[in-house]
Amino acid sequence: NAGVMQNPRHLVRRRGQEARLRCSPMKGHSHVYWYRQLPEEGLKFMVYLQKENIIDESGMPKERFSAEFPKEGPSILRIQQVVRGDSAAYFCASSPTPGRAEAFFGQGTRLTVV
Amino acid sequence: GESVGLHLPTLSVQEGDNSIINCAYSNSASDYFIWYKQESGKGPQFIIDIRSNMDKRQGQRVTVLLNKTVKHLSLQIAATQPGDSAVYFCAENGGSQGNLIFGKGTKLSVKP
Repeated sequence: NAGVMQNPRHLVRRRGQEARLRCSPMKGHSHVYWYRQLPEEGLKFMVYLQKENIIDESGMPKERFSAEFPKEGPSILRIQQVVRGDSAAYFCASSPTPGRAEAFFGQGTRLTVV
Repeated sequence: GESVGLHLPTLSVQEGDNSIINCAYSNSASDYFIWYKQESGKGPQFIIDIRSNMDKRQGQRVTVLLNKTVKHLSLQIAATQPGDSAVYFCAENGGSQGNLIFGKGTKLSVKP
């Protein structure tokens, strides 16, 4: 049973470009959470999605960031017009049921904006 | 401010000794807590959890203690090994949706 898969593992973008981060949850999991981790910091919640629905996006910046979890395929976190401050590790976690907080985390995507 | 924080950013212990990592939380309504281990370049790995109706929970070589009176959480690692070197985060449930609130982490270094 494969774990949560994230790709790419590393992503380098120039300022102003777009970044697309992908997350495939564990098999049978329909709840996906995205977190951001700055260097030397803990993870910060961004958004919680179920299939085709955004449930809670209270932690996601209002501008330039968007997330989706289509009926088919992985969840996508999209960052438009990236800036240096977007450089961070982005982690995805999946859960089989809502409210089950011991979610399983992927290995993350490390975004570097140059 | 953050709901969850840690007393010490770094902890260095000798191999074979016991380690204690502490965490303070501020939301008295939190009812579920988790400890994660994060190795360099990897995602958080679930270690152990505890619900607010418990004071103590034991796993393999790890014990979590919860003191609701002072809103304090600790992780005890018995007979610490080099493979335990990592950053340890405590986290609390942020709401009914399952999103977590993380502390900043404690870096544990194990000296051989």
